[in-house]
Amino acid sequence: QVQLQESGPGLVKPSQTLSLTCTVSGGSISSGSYYWSWIRQPAGKGLEWIGRIYTSGSTNYNPSLKSRVTISVDTSKNQFSLKLSSVTAADTAVYYCAREVVVVPAAMDYYYYMDVWGKGTTVTVSS
Amino acid sequence: DIQMTQSPSSLSASVGDRVTITCQASQDISNYLNWYQQKPGKAPKLLIYDASNLETGVPSRFSGSGSGTDFTFTISSLQPEDIATYYCQQYDNLPRTFGQGTKVEIK
Repeated sequence: QVQLQESGPGLVKPSQTLSLTCTVSGGSISSGSYYWSWIRQPAGKGLEWIGRIYTSGSTNYNPSLKSRVTISVDTSKNQFSLKLSSVTAADTAVYYCAREVVVVPAAMDYYYYMDVWGKGTTVTVSS
Repeated sequence: DIQMTQSPSSLSASVGDRVTITCQASQDISNYLNWYQQKPGKAPKLLIYDASNLETGVPSRFSGSGSGTDFTFTISSLQPEDIATYYCQQYDNLPRTFGQGTKVEIK
């Protein structure tokens, strides 16, 4: 079955750019009706949706982060990536990648849900 | 953004108890709601999609109901392995938003 694995630096200096990659295994990132998403969770807090990318390259971002976020996909490597610029301590969190499924069971109806998640990677912003 | 409010924030119950968590959306989201379970140090796991559909492989003691702005998540008979934080998440609109979570503990 499809598995996701996040990778990237665990420590980033303030004002620099956080860069993470999510590698998809067990299936092609290009197949099916999927969005490839990033979600983060500060220690002891809830989940915050960062954004997503469709295999066509179409992206959606959380308006609260939109000016700093870029999500891209590399179908040749079966990977998608997150870049978050101008980081501060507030960006310290566990970052998850996830697959969001789109199901259209009938006309005018649809389901979206995140059914596969990576294990998460901790990123600390500190000098 | 659509705000999702869960209650309670935490609860303590005995093994075998029926546990209920509520989730309220700040606007009508039809049935566009999912529920996730997150155990300590682990990624969230999908339990319920479209408000009431059980994900494949998830035990039948978990269930969900509701539509519009008010939703309920129920564990019919709490088991020790159900200790976790549970989150609701709406997909009616972007950005996707989650409730603040409900931590379930064993009494």
